[in-house]
Amino acid sequence: DAGVTQSPTHLIKTRGQQVTLRCSPKSGHDTVSWYQQALGQGPQFIFQYYEEEERQRGNFPDRFSGHQFPNYSSELNVNALLLGDSALYLCASSSKWTSSWEQYFGPGTRLTVT
Amino acid sequence: GNSVTQMEGPVTLSEEAFLTINCTYTATGYPSLFWYVQYPGEGLQLLLKATKADDKGSNKGFEATYRKETTSFHLEKGSVQVSDSAVYFCALSDRGGGFKTIFGAGTRLFVKA
Repeated sequence: DAGVTQSPTHLIKTRGQQVTLRCSPKSGHDTVSWYQQALGQGPQFIFQYYEEEERQRGNFPDRFSGHQFPNYSSELNVNALLLGDSALYLCASSSKWTSSWEQYFGPGTRLTVT
Repeated sequence: GNSVTQMEGPVTLSEEAFLTINCTYTATGYPSLFWYVQYPGEGLQLLLKATKADDKGSNKGFEATYRKETTSFHLEKGSVQVSDSAVYFCALSDRGGGFKTIFGAGTRLFVKA
């Protein structure tokens, strides 16, 4: 059973560019959340998708947007990249049938903005 | 809103020393509590969890007990190894949060041989 997978592993972009990160949830999971982890800090919640709609959003600007596909996979898009967007982006999946409210995390995509 | 506070690091210990990393939380409901570990250059790994008051989560020699009366979930290990050097995150998730996980700032642990 494959866990949460993310692509690409690493990415280098220039300020002002746009980037798309991808995530495939654990088998059987229908909810995908995205987190940003800046260097030396804990992960911060960006947003969550369920049934192809954004259900919750953290304190991130509209430059951050996402999408969930019918197969539950998800994309995170960031427009007009800033140097401060450099971080590890983590995807997490979950299911409403999980009583422990546990999320399963992927290995992350490390984004560097120069 | 929900929040997690954990002790600041770094924590530096000698091999075989006793480890405690303090964690307290604020939540309006009845959250599940987690400890995650992050090794250098890697993603998050779930270390242990507890889903209700007085539950003890344990894994790889690490333990933490869900204390509702003190709103705490301290991480302990009786004898640390060099390979335990990593960053440890305390976290919570609950029904009101809809699977959104709230993390502490992390505590970096260095274990010297």
